[in-house]
Amino acid sequence: EVQLVESGGGLVQPGGSLRLSCAASGFTFSSYSMNWVRQAPGKGLEWVSYISSSSSTIYYADSVKGRFTISRDNAKNSLYLQMNSLRDEDTAVYYCARDMGGTAMVIFDYWGQGTLVTVSS
Amino acid sequence: DIQMTQSPSSLSASVGDRVTITCQASQDISNYLNWYQQKPGKAPKLLIYDASNLETGVPSRFSGSGSGTDFTFTISSLQPEDIATYYCQQYDNLPSTFGGGTKVEIK
Repeated sequence: EVQLVESGGGLVQPGGSLRLSCAASGFTFSSYSMNWVRQAPGKGLEWVSYISSSSSTIYYADSVKGRFTISRDNAKNSLYLQMNSLRDEDTAVYYCARDMGGTAMVIFDYWGQGTLVTVSS
Repeated sequence: DIQMTQSPSSLSASVGDRVTITCQASQDISNYLNWYQQKPGKAPKLLIYDASNLETGVPSRFSGSGSGTDFTFTISSLQPEDIATYYCQQYDNLPSTFGGGTKVEIK
């Protein structure tokens, strides 16, 4: 069974940093591209970042470019999101999501349960 | 960025009704369109990919159609467990963008 479990969320002050983790199991993690998607409280979904299976290709939404860094450790079956210079508008539930695979990108076939990041003074 | 306009933003229907949600892209996205279901407090779930392909294990009462800029998502016979918010998502261009969501309730 595919499982994605996020951790690392919490309360942080504006300008602060946080590192999210996503532990994957039930599939060959090193064969799949991965993503982070966020959802502000009571709002819709926003794609944040993409990383290919080998980490050779990385993309970010403009709203986080230069502040967030996506990475992965295939030996540990883990995905990460380093978030720096956090702003109030980064407050959201952050989901890790697996790419379906094949030639298409950013079709999210499995999602974690999410971890809440709250940016507030 | 490609804007995805979803309508209606909410709807109320009776069990057994046919429910239709539309999604319009601000430019041609071919068939690079997915539909997700999100129940309260839960992560989204992929229902339809490439505009009309049913994800494995998803009931056949869910369907999708369309190409270019106009897409439709249909629940042929609404069930109580279908109460959720539904989102379309384009992946023709990055950033991938989502529609604003349609909240489906039981009348």
